[in-house]
Amino acid sequence: KNEVEQSPQNLTAQEGEFITINCSYSVGISALHWLQQHPGGGIVSLFMLSSGKKKHGRLIATINIQEKHSSLHITASHPRDSAVYICAVIFNGNQFYFGTGTSLTVIP
Amino acid sequence: EAQVTQNPRYLITVTGKKLTVTCSQNMNHEYMSWYRQDPGLGLRQIYYSMNVEVTDKGDVPEGYKVSRKEKRNFPLILESPSPNQTSLYFCASSPGQTTGELFFGEGSRLTVL
Repeated sequence: KNEVEQSPQNLTAQEGEFITINCSYSVGISALHWLQQHPGGGIVSLFMLSSGKKKHGRLIATINIQEKHSSLHITASHPRDSAVYICAVIFNGNQFYFGTGTSLTVIP
Repeated sequence: EAQVTQNPRYLITVTGKKLTVTCSQNMNHEYMSWYRQDPGLGLRQIYYSMNVEVTDKGDVPEGYKVSRKEKRNFPLILESPSPNQTSLYFCASSPGQTTGELFFGEGSRLTVL
């Protein structure tokens, strides 16, 4: 069965803290995306990974293919990072499957 | 400006009245797809298209149709909407299915009474 699990479901952090959101999946994948959804609903793609690590500003995404696991890190978190973060994978086929999201609140 | 445009953004309709949600992208992307988002269930893929005239079912295709006659457009058709299709719908595009980031439309909130 194709499954995607994210943890934690909810996360509250103080401004400036280092944040990690995790995504695990059940079988081999072709690619993994990290998405951000702000209140109000718009979805933005943060990263697409098939191996290794990517960095964009304060955001870092890593993937371990053997462990079937990816992490999204936010360094020096800021209130504007408050959003829902969603992991999406393409299993070795063609469909996208999504985690249920991690709701992040960063308190000033 | 690179964008994915969906219309309508909001729609209230009644059971059985056919409707179409349009999706258009201006980035010459090959891959386009439709998703629905429901509380507690998250995002689920409805249909996707790898290129013109090539479409395939996602996780929850029942009650929906799509077509891809042109590269830029990928409309979602509800032939006979039912209340369980009340949802927030997103269209997205990317250069290829496993290449490049996904660009999402702003979403279409559909209510079927």
